[in-house]
Amino acid sequence: AQTVTQSQPEMSVQEAETVTLSCTYDTSESDYYLFWYKQPPSRQMILVIRQEAYKQQNATENRFSVNFQKAAKSFSLKISDSQLGDAAMYFCAYRSSISSGSARQLTFGSGTQLTVLP
Amino acid sequence: DGGITQSPKYLFRKEGQNVTLSCEQNLNHDAMYWYRQDPGQGLRLIYYSQIVNDFQKGDIAEGYSVSREKKESFPLTVTSAQKNPTAFYLCATTLGLYNSPLHFGNGTRLTVT
Repeated sequence: AQTVTQSQPEMSVQEAETVTLSCTYDTSESDYYLFWYKQPPSRQMILVIRQEAYKQQNATENRFSVNFQKAAKSFSLKISDSQLGDAAMYFCAYRSSISSGSARQLTFGSGTQLTVLP
Repeated sequence: DGGITQSPKYLFRKEGQNVTLSCEQNLNHDAMYWYRQDPGQGLRLIYYSQIVNDFQKGDIAEGYSVSREKKESFPLTVTSAQKNPTAFYLCATTLGLYNSPLHFGNGTRLTVT
């Protein structure tokens, strides 16, 4: 079974600065998908960014980018020019590309609570 | 607007009572999921359904039951057999394609006393 580890329960960043959230995962598969979700105080889960394992290029969505290191099984999220609205719990998630059984579910890390300081 | 509706937002029940959480979607997604979220933990899968009239247990299915009689609906029943039911419950859907992300509802906070 796949596991996802977020080793930083809490992080803080000054407004307008850059912060990197760490995520590592364990899998024996070669093809899979990785996601970062954001959960603000409203508790709505919002997709931030996704990365397909077979793509070497790191995904980018505006101020959010990832550093995907497949060999190291690492998938960190970088937030540039941090804004107060970025304050949230961030979850890293893994999804297998296998279509059968429970493989299509997302396996989540335990989350990193990000505080943005004004 | 397309989306996922979970109701109610807050639910209170006495211990020993069964309670059903609603999840309705109009995204025309095939797959639906129920996750449980506890403080300090990530989301854990309770049940999932990839097609109508079929569903599978997730990692923590004990004490829960589901049905999938319609594509749009995937209700979750928390039974009295669930030992610690107080939690935040999230319903999610996906197209089922292997690169499709999950879309989430706004969640239901269940408190059992």
